[in-house]
Amino acid sequence: NAGVTQTPKFRVLKTGQSMTLLCAQDMNHEYMYWYRQDPGMGLRLIHYSVGEGTTAKGEVPDGYNVSRLKKQNFLLGLESAAPSQTSVYFCASSYSFSKADTQYFGPGTRLTVL
Amino acid sequence: KQEVTQIPAALSVPEGENLVLNCSFTDSAIYNLQWFRQDPGKGLTSLLLIQSSQREQTSGRLNASLDKSSGRSTLYIAASQPGDSATYLCAVRGQGAQKLVFGQGTRLTINP
Repeated sequence: NAGVTQTPKFRVLKTGQSMTLLCAQDMNHEYMYWYRQDPGMGLRLIHYSVGEGTTAKGEVPDGYNVSRLKKQNFLLGLESAAPSQTSVYFCASSYSFSKADTQYFGPGTRLTVL
Repeated sequence: KQEVTQIPAALSVPEGENLVLNCSFTDSAIYNLQWFRQDPGKGLTSLLLIQSSQREQTSGRLNASLDKSSGRSTLYIAASQPGDSATYLCAVRGQGAQKLVFGQGTRLTINP
């Protein structure tokens, strides 16, 4: 049981390049989330999904797109990377939105945009 | 808009001491409150979750309390150990909301 995994762990991009971050979970969770963590800003929700084939915007969605084609995978895409997107990106998943359910986090992807 | 504040930003104590980390939030209409631990370069690990109807939760040497009316939560760590050194994050989920709102964390160092 690997939990939540993220690929890649590190990436350096040039401004304008594109990339996709992959999140995978093996806990059969319905809900998946993408956050970014920045110094002085805490963790902020980018996009989330309440099930296969569904996505919704979070707090800071601009410049990002997501897809949930399979229940176990949640992809975060940057079409044209900008230096402001330099951050650590975390994926998380949870079984439901029940008040008793916690979110399980992946190890993070450190992205630098030059 | 919900805001979560954690004070202090950093704390350093000798091994063996009992300590308290503080978390405050501005909107008392919450669904639950969670405490997470984050080790350098790693993801977040959930420590304790307190539902809105609960006052406290305990796990081993950790005890978290919740006072919704005053907008406060505390994380009590008993008999601290060097392995407790990490950043501790508080997060609240508002009623009807899908997202967690995080504080900026308290970086805890336990000195042997």
